[in-house]
Amino acid sequence: DGGITQSPKYLFRKEGQNVTLSCEQNLNHDAMYWYRQDPGQGLRLIYYSQIVNDFQKGDIAEGYSVSREKKESFPLTVTSAQKNPTAFYLCASSGRGQKNTEAFFGQGTRLTVV
Amino acid sequence: AQSVAQPEDQVNVAEGNPLTVKCTYSVSGNPYLFWYVQYPNRGLQFLLKYITGDNLVKGSYGFEAEFNKSQTSFHLKKPSALVSDSALYFCAVRPSGNTPLVFGKGTRLSVIA
Repeated sequence: DGGITQSPKYLFRKEGQNVTLSCEQNLNHDAMYWYRQDPGQGLRLIYYSQIVNDFQKGDIAEGYSVSREKKESFPLTVTSAQKNPTAFYLCASSGRGQKNTEAFFGQGTRLTVV
Repeated sequence: AQSVAQPEDQVNVAEGNPLTVKCTYSVSGNPYLFWYVQYPNRGLQFLLKYITGDNLVKGSYGFEAEFNKSQTSFHLKKPSALVSDSALYFCAVRPSGNTPLVFGKGTRLSVIA
């Protein structure tokens, strides 16, 4: 089936450790996004990519890194520089043109620092 | 800078009654507007969007939204609420082209039987 797959669903990180969240889509979408969700704060944009091998910082990029080597994949690394990484992370993608303006979301990864 | 406001953190409504979840936006030009719903520990599900044309947009699960350009609003409505509509609702705006969506902080809808 078509869609966006995020893995793992739950992830635990020790202090000082880098972790990578996976996001794969088979919708043939050009653009992909990473958002962070915290209670009462809505969704905040971390990074986005509109084309392979290119990506842009969002509002809260510090302490995160991404890559876009393939159209289907947009992994997010939460580095040890991110001081408060505990949150729900959502990956999304969207196509081109007015008929494809909405973003489709994965089921999310809940990251907890232990 | 573009922004979206959802003035109510929580909306409570009795089952069978009409519901409204409010959204206002601040964006230059002609934005694209969206509503999404989120159930606990899940991703966001797309409900409906306004791009151009008729100000009343119909979407999934009986929801509709009315675009009002003069009031810069895009309120979500449903004529008769169901308990299963209880969830977190997000309004979002795409300022133009392929720019990322900007989200409001969300409104928690609780439908009481």
